[in-house]
Amino acid sequence: AQSVTQLGSHVSVSEGALVLLRCNYSSSVPPYLFWYVQYPNQGLQLLLKYTSAATLVKGINGFEAEFKKSETSFHLTKPSAHMSDAAEYFCASMNTGFQKLVFGTGTRLLVSP
Amino acid sequence: EAQVTQNPRYLITVTGKKLTVTCSQNMNHEYMSWYRQDPGLGLRQIYYSMNVEVTDKGDVPEGYKVSRKEKRNFPLILESPSPNQTSLYFCASSSFGGSSSPLHFGNGTRLTVT
Repeated sequence: AQSVTQLGSHVSVSEGALVLLRCNYSSSVPPYLFWYVQYPNQGLQLLLKYTSAATLVKGINGFEAEFKKSETSFHLTKPSAHMSDAAEYFCASMNTGFQKLVFGTGTRLLVSP
Repeated sequence: EAQVTQNPRYLITVTGKKLTVTCSQNMNHEYMSWYRQDPGLGLRQIYYSMNVEVTDKGDVPEGYKVSRKEKRNFPLILESPSPNQTSLYFCASSSFGGSSSPLHFGNGTRLTVT
């Protein structure tokens, strides 16, 4: 069955430091992969998506993610954290049948001054 | 403005009292879905709909009903709510422009069942 694993329910960084949020997927066929961000009291917003066109995907707010088939990973990175990046981040996988978006359990990013 | 609108944002009810959470989208999307979000569990799909009059169960459909009589609306119905349905609910929609079409989410409905 399709699944997504996010390592670390909480990640803390200092402002200006590198952000790395980890995501591994489980699928026999590389799926479509997404990162969503959720700010307090809001719904989820799409950060970026992988659709097999390019392995390095750039998203909004300076985030990017690299698809690595050999590692079944799709980690999210940002070179320099900003206070406004504090939020919960969800990795998600969609099968090619377009029936279900499977989410990871989420990683809360905390940014300290 | 393109959006998915859920109502109400907050709802407190008692066990067994039927309720409906409405969801409407103005993007002419074919695909709509309901998720519930619980701490440590992420988002889990309740039901989804591929088009009008076409609905199917997700991972956690027990205790919920849906209908899709119009393309823009996809209400979630709890016939007899129980405390374990206390959760944060999200409606989402997407076009069928390809399997990579991202979901657009509503702002959520926080339901408390006492």
